[in-house]
Amino acid sequence: SAVISQKPSRDICQRGTSLTIQCQVDSQVTMMFWYRQQPGQSLTLIATANQGSEATYESGFVIDKFPISRPNLTFSTLTVSNMSPEDSSIYLCSVPNGQGVTEAFFGQGTRLTVV
Amino acid sequence: GNSVTQMEGPVTLSEEAFLTINCTYTATGYPSLFWYVQYPGEGLQLLLKATKADDKGSNKGFEATYRKETTSFHLEKGSVQVSDSAVYFCALSDTSGTYKYIFGTGTRLKVLA
Repeated sequence: SAVISQKPSRDICQRGTSLTIQCQVDSQVTMMFWYRQQPGQSLTLIATANQGSEATYESGFVIDKFPISRPNLTFSTLTVSNMSPEDSSIYLCSVPNGQGVTEAFFGQGTRLTVV
Repeated sequence: GNSVTQMEGPVTLSEEAFLTINCTYTATGYPSLFWYVQYPGEGLQLLLKATKADDKGSNKGFEATYRKETTSFHLEKGSVQVSDSAVYFCALSDTSGTYKYIFGTGTRLKVLA
């Protein structure tokens, strides 16, 4: 199984600022995923980050708001830009097992509060 | 497109009661199906999984059977404990090679002593 470390685990930010969330995996993976979990709601996929190419964003999410970097096969960052209170959520990175069964491993998440 | 429909919560049960959380899905092809659990203050953990029709996933006394004919993957446990109090998410993964996950809305379970 993969071990995923996310930083920071939580933060309180002022509106209008940006926060970069880091995701480190203990093994090389081709795909990494970023999800958002708004308060009391389910997880929604923001984008897929593949090493060596631009991230692919889901409907409703744009690169200007959620720029993603994927410099190597074990690391990715998600930036939440120009934050507003509506961005208050838990952000999680995820990697697939990739060993036949498409089980996913999740980081502990970053709990973001925008004030 | 693919989707997951999960029974709404919260579900409140007494200890040792029987638990069922319904989950149905819509998907093209043959997705893998999962139940994830989120304990208070913690991240998502895989509870159980099934990869093909009639497979039964099981873990920690929880079970779910992949029913293709009814497109369902209901979660059951014969006797719940207070420690089972958590939010449970049903999910499916895209088998077209993208490995994207579609999650249900989650069901909060509260077990009373």
